[in-house]
Amino acid sequence: DIQLTQSPSFLSASVGDRVTITCRASQDISSSLAWYQQKPGKVPKLLIYAASTLQSGVPSRFSGSGSGTEFTLTISSLQPEDFAAYYCQQLNSYPITFGQGTRLEIK
Amino acid sequence: EVQLVESGGGLVQPGGSLRLSCVASGFTFSDYSMDWVRQAPGKGLEWVGLSRSRVKSYTTEYAASVKGRFIISRDVSENSLYLQLNDLKTEDTAVYYCARDLVGTPRGHEIWGQGTMVTVSS
Repeated sequence: DIQLTQSPSFLSASVGDRVTITCRASQDISSSLAWYQQKPGKVPKLLIYAASTLQSGVPSRFSGSGSGTEFTLTISSLQPEDFAAYYCQQLNSYPITFGQGTRLEIK
Repeated sequence: EVQLVESGGGLVQPGGSLRLSCVASGFTFSDYSMDWVRQAPGKGLEWVGLSRSRVKSYTTEYAASVKGRFIISRDVSENSLYLQLNDLKTEDTAVYYCARDLVGTPRGHEIWGQGTMVTVSS
């Protein structure tokens, strides 16, 4: 199985900050990576697919990059509604796997 | 409106069985791959398995942790996706979500249901 390791697991930041979350895959997954946001008690929301394609309706302050084994999710200027958990997911091969998650909290 | 509504969760003893349902509306159900994803209390997301679209003959894939115990099926006439959970273990306790994939090759789950809770305990 392909392992995904997110870093950091916990991030404290302020409104207006630029933040980056990294997702590393245990083997080459090309660009088959998605990012999700999940707020407490809510359903996950797809933010980015194919490593860098913004899902419809997602604010442009979110961006994704990378290919192969290293990927990043960047939020250019944190807004209050962005404080949540973020997960990467690989869809290159089965079984599909998720990273362990990054919890983004207000400093 | 595109919507997924799960049901069927509950409390079950270890070794027991349960069938979860997910009713889809607002889109052509047979055109999309559909997944089950679970989340144990306070933990991260875990992909459970999927049923591919009609063009892929509704074939299925499973996570290793559930293969041989869980079965995914769908009834296109009822616009319903099912997850049959057999030989349940305490570690299967989780909220179970059904999710619709982006059309085409696997790229992500764009629509999610609200989830149904399964608790495995004696």
